[in-house]
Amino acid sequence: AQSVSQHNHHVILSEAASLELGCNYSYGGTVNLFWYVQYPGQHLQLLLKYFSGDPLVKGIKGFEAEFIKSKFSFNLRKPSVQWSDTAEYFCAVNASSTNAGKSTFGDGTTLTVKP
Amino acid sequence: ETGVTQTPRHLVMGMTNKKSLKCEQHLGHNAMYWYKQSAKKPLELMFVYNFKEQTENNSVPSRFSPECPNSSHLFLHLHTLQPEDSALYLCASSHHLAGESYEQYFGPGTRLTVT
Repeated sequence: AQSVSQHNHHVILSEAASLELGCNYSYGGTVNLFWYVQYPGQHLQLLLKYFSGDPLVKGIKGFEAEFIKSKFSFNLRKPSVQWSDTAEYFCAVNASSTNAGKSTFGDGTTLTVKP
Repeated sequence: ETGVTQTPRHLVMGMTNKKSLKCEQHLGHNAMYWYKQSAKKPLELMFVYNFKEQTENNSVPSRFSPECPNSSHLFLHLHTLQPEDSALYLCASSHHLAGESYEQYFGPGTRLTVT
């Protein structure tokens, strides 16, 4: 069975600080990886995804994530956060060999950016 | 506008009541999902429907009964719920083809309180 671990439950940063949120998964086969974001009072939405190709993927609002297969990781980064990045961030993994629709989500990381 | 709508947005019900949650997607997707999001817990997948057929039931108690009359609509029928069932219930949709993986699009959720 696949599982996802997000190490940071709550991160507090000042504006302009750099961000890195950890995500590790456990599954030995081919995976598709996602980061979703949930802004306060809004629905969960896709931030970025990795299916294949360049392991460094870029998403919306200046976010990027790097897939490191040897470390089973897909960490989310942003060089300079803004107050509007305050949200909850979820990493998700979808094992290609199983039901393609079934994603396993991490516990989520709450990011608070102080103005 | 997410393309996935859910009604009602808020619901308070007693343990003996029967109610239904509705989800509708306008994205032309063929897979739909119900998730439960509780405080301090990861997103829990409840049910998956592909082309109106249920393909996943994640050991959900029978007091939750899904219905998918067509690929655009998904219902979750509730009866004799328990207070611990209080949570945010999220609907999502995606494309689905065997062996392929796609991101999910989420609705705003129904905040359910069981008294």
